Amino acid sequence: DAGVTQSPTHLIKTRGQHVTLRCSPISGHKSVSWYQQVLGQGPQFIFQYYEKEERGRGNFPDRFSARQFPNYSSELNVNALLLGDSALYLCASSLVGLAGASYEQYFGPGTRLTVT
Amino acid sequence: AQRVTQPEKLLSVFKGAPVELKCNYSYSGSPELFWYVQYSRQRLQLLLRHISRESIKGFTADLNKGETSFHLKKPFAQEEDSAMYYCALRTKPGAGSYQLTFGKGTKLSVIP
Repeated sequence: DAGVTQSPTHLIKTRGQHVTLRCSPISGHKSVSWYQQVLGQGPQFIFQYYEKEERGRGNFPDRFSARQFPNYSSELNVNALLLGDSALYLCASSLVGLAGASYEQYFGPGTRLTVT
Repeated sequence: AQRVTQPEKLLSVFKGAPVELKCNYSYSGSPELFWYVQYSRQRLQLLLRHISRESIKGFTADLNKGETSFHLKKPFAQEEDSAMYYCALRTKPGAGSYQLTFGKGTKLSVIP
């Protein structure tokens, strides 16, 4: 297994544009989370999806949205891009066990988004 | 709201010296804490979690609820320990919910 994969690796967008980032979880993992990592900061939680439903949302504006597909892959969408959205966007997947117990999160390599 | 504080941005130690990376947290519920590590040009990976009480690559961390701390320690630093270290707090708002709050990270540099 290649682990969590994300595409694209790098992306340059202009202010006001829209962007879609993609994530494929490890096979068998049904939970996917998205994090934003601004330079010099730790990752900040954006969303978590489990079984195609949103299970958690961080303190991000409505310009940020996400969804999870039947194959458990996920997309993160950001509308009306601002300069401050420039960051590394990380995806993480995990197993979810009985009674909803979650296990270790495995991170992807990230997508580097630059907004000019 | 939960918060994780790592007071040192950069920590430099000589090879063979002891290492302690500090982490303090603020959370009203029962905490579940982790240390993640990111080596150069590699992805973020779990180093250890307080629940398992294991030692990975010689590192240990003890949860001190009284001091709300989860410091990472290693008795003898190795050059390959040079990396970025993040302390993280997990909260579980509901079944199947999994949210990590990270500190800003500490860059450990081991001097040969």
